[in-house]
Amino acid sequence: DVKVTQSSRYLVKRTGEKVFLECVQDMDHENMFWYRQDPGLGLRLIYFSYDVKMKEKGDIPEGYSVSREKKERFSLILESASTNQTSMYLCASSPSSGRGRKRNEQFFGPGTRLTVL
Amino acid sequence: SQQGEEDPQALSIQEGENATMNCSYKTSINNLQWYRQNSGRGLVHLILIRSNEREKHSGRLRVTLDTSKKSSSLLITASRAADTASYFCATDYGNNRLAFGKGNQVVVIP
Repeated sequence: DVKVTQSSRYLVKRTGEKVFLECVQDMDHENMFWYRQDPGLGLRLIYFSYDVKMKEKGDIPEGYSVSREKKERFSLILESASTNQTSMYLCASSPSSGRGRKRNEQFFGPGTRLTVL
Repeated sequence: SQQGEEDPQALSIQEGENATMNCSYKTSINNLQWYRQNSGRGLVHLILIRSNEREKHSGRLRVTLDTSKKSSSLLITASRAADTASYFCATDYGNNRLAFGKGNQVVVIP
């Protein structure tokens, strides 16, 4: 059973703390993504990665950074958490179309609901 | 960035009825996908339709794509209480990314 796992389902942090959200996939996917989901705004892409040590900014990268040291793991970092980063964070992975696969269906983790006080 | 937009935003139906939701997008796509999200969980892929396809079926799901109107519809037939969820369309513009819509909440009343 293929899986994307996220380190925490719920997380409460204080303003100014450094926060790490971890995501691991066991499908040998090249692509990994971090989204945040807020009511009325849908999913917004924060960062994504096509390969190890490679990262690309999404639509709302400000206040976030990422790390991809191993293919299966993609970490989202909030350097100094703020209350406006309270949100649901979703990680996803997909195979690269460059491997001859035409579909880029994304597989999602269960999400981390982060509250910053 | 371009995003799919679902319409209607919220739908409440009786069990056994059909549920239809629409999605529009802005530029040419490789494919369009629909996802379901149960309350507070991650998204699950439902169905993908390629740009050269007009209709696709999967179980009780039927998806249509009209590239001339840049729109898609998702039909869930004979709805069940377990279909209560949010449904998202996502467009693939060919760069390994997907652009998600804001979601469509469907409530099926037993």
